[in-house]
Amino acid sequence: ILNVEQSPQSLHVQEGDSTNFTCSFPSSNFYALHWYRWETAKSPEALFVMTLNGDEKKKGRISATLNTKEGYSYLYIKGSQPEDSATYLCAPTTGNMLTFGGGTRLMVKP
Amino acid sequence: KAGVTQTPRYLIKTRGQQVTLSCSPISGHRSVSWYQQTPGQGLQFLFEYFSETQRNKGNFPGRFSGRQFSNSRSEMNVSTLELGDSALYLCASSDPGQGFYGYTFGSGTRLTVV
Repeated sequence: ILNVEQSPQSLHVQEGDSTNFTCSFPSSNFYALHWYRWETAKSPEALFVMTLNGDEKKKGRISATLNTKEGYSYLYIKGSQPEDSATYLCAPTTGNMLTFGGGTRLMVKP
Repeated sequence: KAGVTQTPRYLIKTRGQQVTLSCSPISGHRSVSWYQQTPGQGLQFLFEYFSETQRNKGNFPGRFSGRQFSNSRSEMNVSTLELGDSALYLCASSDPGQGFYGYTFGSGTRLTVV
């Protein structure tokens, strides 16, 4: 069973602030890392799947980096908007299952 | 393209009863995974099915079981319900060739055991 840690657990920012979260995971037997955004009362939505050390992915104002050697990934949100308010989950995969971290709950105040 | 459909959305059961939840994956997706989300434990993997075969199972008691049909639809069953089984149950589908690119989740079934 992987130990996946996300920090911080929650974050309150003002609209327009940029922010970032961390996902730490065991670096051995790494296959891929997934990031999901989960808004209240909705389904988790896939943001990125990252596989290679040094990978950088971007989707609009959201980007992510991956360091498989040291076992961490960063998610960045530039110029946060109220609609970015959600829980952000990371999940490394081993085989055909996702092991989720506890998530970072982001609240963006207008 | 229809998304992942889970039924029912909400369910209230009494302790000791059993329950069956259903998941219809995206058309063409052959892998279906199930997850349990509780406030204390977060999202935890239950099991994964591909072509009617269970390929992986999480650390849950034998009261939790599942199956997959030839059309890739999947059901999970929980027998002898306990209060602690109250949770949101999510299923996710993927095409194994594309699971690399993410899983698509359903909206979940909220189970309350009283």
